[in-house]
Amino acid sequence: GIQVEQSPPDLILQEGANSTLRCNFSDSVNNLQWFHQNPWGQLINLFYIPSGTKQNGRLSATTVATERYSLLYISSSQTTDSGVYFCAVGDNTDKLIFGTGTRLQVFP
Amino acid sequence: NAGVTQTPKFQVLKTGQSMTLQCAQDMNHEYMSWYRQDPGMGLRLIHYSVGAGITDQGEVPNGYNVSRSTTEDFPLRLLSAAPSQTSVYFCASSYQRGAYEQYFGPGTRLTVT
Repeated sequence: GIQVEQSPPDLILQEGANSTLRCNFSDSVNNLQWFHQNPWGQLINLFYIPSGTKQNGRLSATTVATERYSLLYISSSQTTDSGVYFCAVGDNTDKLIFGTGTRLQVFP
Repeated sequence: NAGVTQTPKFQVLKTGQSMTLQCAQDMNHEYMSWYRQDPGMGLRLIHYSVGAGITDQGEVPNGYNVSRSTTEDFPLRLLSAAPSQTSVYFCASSYQRGAYEQYFGPGTRLTVT
């Protein structure tokens, strides 16, 4: 099955800093999503991005499907950005495979 | 819309007991799924359904049963709870099969002693 690797596993930032989170996957995908799990455990869908680039406020994501990676950019980070960021991918099945996440802590 | 709801929020079971975790969505989504999340790990797919009357296994299906008699509901049954099933369980739904743009419920924290 598809393998998903995320890096870095942990990231500590001061408010206002920028960061890039990476997701590598081992095979072709037609489904790639980024999620944020806040400190209370709620999972929020940030982007559905099997290819190309999308932006939503301070967050943007780029997926280069031919090179099997996706990047999530967080600019001007805020304490509310803290939590765990997951990348999840799917191929032509109905299954979504999650990476182990990047834990982000943003300090004031 | 309430979105995806799960009950209960917390549950403690003794080994060997059975229980059902409830999941409901009011978005008329075709696709529903159950995941478990263990410390330091990502989410792992237990079972999923692409429509009423259709279910299939995910990565870690052993010890769990599901059924989907209506579009709205997708309960997860633990037939004989084991300590290895201590985890946080999430239900999710999306508008079509393929698990595109999934919406997650708030989770159920289950402890098996």
